[in-house]
Amino acid sequence: KNQVEQSPQSLIILEGKNCTLQCNYTVSPFSNLRWYKQDTGRGPVSLTIMTFSENTKSNGRYTATLDADTKQSSLHITASQLSDSASYICVVSPPNYGGSQGNLIFGKGTKLSVKP
Amino acid sequence: NAGVTQTPKFQVLKTGQSMTLQCAQDMNHEYMSWYRQDPGMGLRLIHYSVGAGITDQGEVPNGYNVSRSTTEDFPLRLLSAAPSQTSVYFCASSYFGDREAFFGQGTRLTVV
Repeated sequence: KNQVEQSPQSLIILEGKNCTLQCNYTVSPFSNLRWYKQDTGRGPVSLTIMTFSENTKSNGRYTATLDADTKQSSLHITASQLSDSASYICVVSPPNYGGSQGNLIFGKGTKLSVKP
Repeated sequence: NAGVTQTPKFQVLKTGQSMTLQCAQDMNHEYMSWYRQDPGMGLRLIHYSVGAGITDQGEVPNGYNVSRSTTEDFPLRLLSAAPSQTSVYFCASSYFGDREAFFGQGTRLTVV
């Protein structure tokens, strides 16, 4: 069964520190891997989207990496800010071919708390 | 540019009542979908549509109906609400199923 596993489940860090969130997946092949940020009470917002041939993608202080051989991705947050407190969700998209409509497979998310 | 708009934001229903969650997008996206988000679980797909007049079931479709009469709108109907449908519901849209998805702000539904 296609799965996306994220670790840790939750993380507390001090403002200004860096952190790395992990995502392991079993979806193969896949079209792309995404990281979303979800603030409490809001919908997910896209941070990065990488195809299987990309190794890294940055969006400001957020940098995602992808190792398709080990089926792992990470999201690195640099110089964290209080506004980074949110859930971060890893999402894998199967290929959109044939009868498949590329339904997204979501991880359960990592809840990050940034403390002053 | 409003993006994806969901209404209502909050709703309380009694068991057995029916209601429609509204979703509209102004980005001319063909692909629209409905998800539910429960504590400790990833978002789960309820129904999706690849264009006007075309809908299909996702992972957890029971108890829900959808229709897609226009490109812009994709309402989700609860036929007879049950406490198990207490959840946060998100609508999303994208150009294609494997392209970046844009999410609405969610509808928090409580069934008592």
